Amino acid sequence: AQSVTQLDSQVPVFEEAPVELRCNYSSSVSVYLFWYVQYPNQGLQLLLKYLSGSTLVESINGFEAEFNKSQTSFHLRKPSVHISDTAEYFCAVSGSGGYQKVTFGTGTKLQVIP
Amino acid sequence: DTAVSQTPKYLVTQMGNDKSIKCEQNLGHDTMYWYKQDSKKFLKIMFSYNNKELIINETVPNRFSPKSPDKAHLNLHINSLELGDSAVYFCASSPPEGQGNYGYTFGSGTRLTVV
Repeated sequence: AQSVTQLDSQVPVFEEAPVELRCNYSSSVSVYLFWYVQYPNQGLQLLLKYLSGSTLVESINGFEAEFNKSQTSFHLRKPSVHISDTAEYFCAVSGSGGYQKVTFGTGTKLQVIP
Repeated sequence: DTAVSQTPKYLVTQMGNDKSIKCEQNLGHDTMYWYKQDSKKFLKIMFSYNNKELIINETVPNRFSPKSPDKAHLNLHINSLELGDSAVYFCASSPPEGQGNYGYTFGSGTRLTVV
């Protein structure tokens, strides 16, 4: 079984400042890792994912996350946030290989302050 | 074209009623899911179907019954609704592993309020 911990329930940050949203996971097997974003009153959208290969993965809107196996982390970063990045961000994990259930973290609310 | 569509978007009903939520995906995915998101935004998987076959059935009351008439549809029927069932219910789908684009596509959710 896998689990995900998002230590910060809310992260306020000023516009154009950098941000890091923390995610740690627990698993006894190889994993796939994901970040999803949920804007108000909408469903979740896949932001980026790590399946294999390069440990640094990027999204099209400037976010990046780095898979760190030794620290069992998959933190999400952006060097300069915009007002439009205000949303709830969910880290998720699944086992790799065959059909695996995806387990979500409890979410981090990113609040960008003008 | 909406990839994963759920109806209705909002549902307000009285305790004890029976209601259904419908979900359809036009992505050609094999696997579909129902998730429940509570008031604290916690997402918990309820069910998963792969090609009309139930593959995940978490600890969910028997009052909840999923039905998948074909791999593009996964409906959720809830009997004898209770106050604690109030939540946002999300449908999602995913392609078979190995297609290189593993990840869920979510619907926009159904906000269920039981009064």
